Formats: sequence, C-alpha cells, structure tokens
Amino acid sequence: NAGVMQNPRHLVRRRGQEARLRCSPMKGHSHVYWYRQLPEEGLKFMVYLQKENIIDESGMPKERFSAEFPKEGPSILRIQQVVRGDSAAYFCASSPIGQGVTGELFFGEGSRLTVL
Amino acid sequence: QKEVEQDPGPLSVPEGAIVSLNCTYSNSAFQYFMWYRQYSRKGPELLMYTYSSGNKEDGRFTAQVDKSSKYISLFIRDSQPSDSATYLCAMSSNSGGSNYKLTFGKGTLLTVNP
Repeated sequence: NAGVMQNPRHLVRRRGQEARLRCSPMKGHSHVYWYRQLPEEGLKFMVYLQKENIIDESGMPKERFSAEFPKEGPSILRIQQVVRGDSAAYFCASSPIGQGVTGELFFGEGSRLTVL
Repeated sequence: QKEVEQDPGPLSVPEGAIVSLNCTYSNSAFQYFMWYRQYSRKGPELLMYTYSSGNKEDGRFTAQVDKSSKYISLFIRDSQPSDSATYLCAMSSNSGGSNYKLTFGKGTLLTVNP
C-alpha cells in the first residue's frame, strides 16, 4: 500500500496520559500535514512539517501538543496530559511538493483518539 | 460568519439521480478549490481539484467555481450507491505560500438508494 499510513487507527487513553500518533507519508512525499476532525466539526489544520523542520504550526494548541518529523522514521503527533476535549480523529496528509504549487493533499485513514 | 459554509444534509437520492453539492465561502483570497469524498471511518479522498474560477469535468463528476459569487459546486451524474459518503469541500489561498492550509466545510452526507 503506497498511501499515507497512520497508526494506531484507534487509541484509547485516560485523562492525563500521553497519546502518540504516527504517520508515514506516501512514497516520494517529503511534506507532512496534520489535521484534526472534532465531532460535528470540519477538518482543521494543525501543523505542516518537512524532514527535521516545523514549517507552520499555527493551528496547534499552544500547550500539550507537539509534532516532529525526524530524518528517519515517521512523523509523530504527541499529545501530553490528554483531556476529554482531545477526543477526535487526527488525520495526516502528505504531498510531494510544499509551498507555492497546488495544495493537493493526500490523506491517511486517520487515528481516532478517545479520552476516557 | 464561518469562512466556509456547507449544508450538512443529509441528502438522500435514488440511484441514477443528478446530485448537486454546494459550498459558499467568505474569504476572497481563496484560489484553490477541492472536493473530497470521505467514507465512514475513513480518510478524505481527493475527488476534484480546481484552480480559480471555471468548470472541471472528470467522468461523472463536474466541479464548478464561481469566484464572483464565492460559490462552488460539485455535480454527480448517474449517481450510484457506491457514491454514498460524506462530501467535503475545501479551499485554500496562496497567501504567504500557505496553499497547504486547507479550510474545510463540515461536509454533506449523501446517500444514494438503489
């Protein structure tokens, strides 16, 4: 499967625990984006990363959320001390070219976080 | 006013019907317009992509953009039960090279009945 791979697909955490979501972009893609879909809401941009660089994190909550895309391995979205309001579907997308081209993004199947 | 408005439906049509899905938007800087299809519990799948105004056709799907009215549409001809999904409009501007920052509508749930 050459698509965007996300894992885990489902994650359950208790309040105060940490959640780590992983994303491997499509083959040949070096740009990764994270979006969040809250219940009854549209997808919202969170962060844009290239290898070893955060390009735009303007959509990330100021606290408890962080993202990385190391030189080797998948991109990681980390949520510390989760609260019930973090329950959502987190989607990763990738593209072969970043700024200034088409804006066409290819999404993974999402990681669904449930906070008890 | 939300940046992108989309009627959530649900919309139910018989097989073979022509379906019209629409979004309005308020940000005149939007230049890139997309339609995604999202099956239940799956990720959005890019269906149509249009730059600026005009029409684009791909098989049974036609996307239209009217920038003067800030209105975009997706038409599905000869609709099939397999078209049953949530359809999301999305758009972005190139302001500061941020065309990756898509603004989505909430989606319209479509059911095509056999």
